[in-house]
Amino acid sequence: GAVVSQHPSRVICKSGTSVKIECRSLDFQATTMFWYRQFPKQSLMLMATSNEGSKATYEQGVEKDKFLINHASLTLSTLTVTSAHPEDSSFYICSAPSSGGAYNEQFFGPGTRLTVL
Amino acid sequence: DAKTTQPPSMDCAEGRAANLPCNHSTISGNEYVYWYRQIHSQGPQYIIHGLKNNETNEMASLIITEDRKSSTLILPHATLRDTAVYYCIVTGANSKLTFGKGITLSVRP
Repeated sequence: GAVVSQHPSRVICKSGTSVKIECRSLDFQATTMFWYRQFPKQSLMLMATSNEGSKATYEQGVEKDKFLINHASLTLSTLTVTSAHPEDSSFYICSAPSSGGAYNEQFFGPGTRLTVL
Repeated sequence: DAKTTQPPSMDCAEGRAANLPCNHSTISGNEYVYWYRQIHSQGPQYIIHGLKNNETNEMASLIITEDRKSSTLILPHATLRDTAVYYCIVTGANSKLTFGKGITLSVRP
């Protein structure tokens, strides 16, 4: 099946710094990618929809100036957590719909665990 | 999207069938039933989806009741690697996925 990768898998940073997370579709093109956040013992929460060639669409309550999304190509979307604080510590996961399959038959990346000290 | 209700947890013995129920009584005619699972500290994995008819693939079977108000995901021969949180999601064809709490399946040796 299709593969989605994320980099880095784990990052620890100091409060106030910015962190960039990459999401790549390895063997298919993705005009749309999704970014989720998952706190411990909770479910995934959709943060935003990343669209190649246009601005991302953010879910209600997600600060677009804090979570910058850039869909640079048909295989790469990046999420930058700006001025990270301890409350931003979470598991960040991206996904992309399969090409040629159902829109919601999505392939998820392995996730990036962010720890802000 | 229609709301789904799943028991919080269940367990089954390795090698036996695992039947995971999901209620979605407010499902509308154009909404699909999707199942994903998430093994601890990994990204979710697509399992199967269906609209009205029962579906089967190499991972599982999906049984949808005739009135579409509930469904059952069947893992025919559960293994220890099937221990995970299983999410039943009802959504339109081009809508976003909304994850609930899911059901934690524990497969015991």
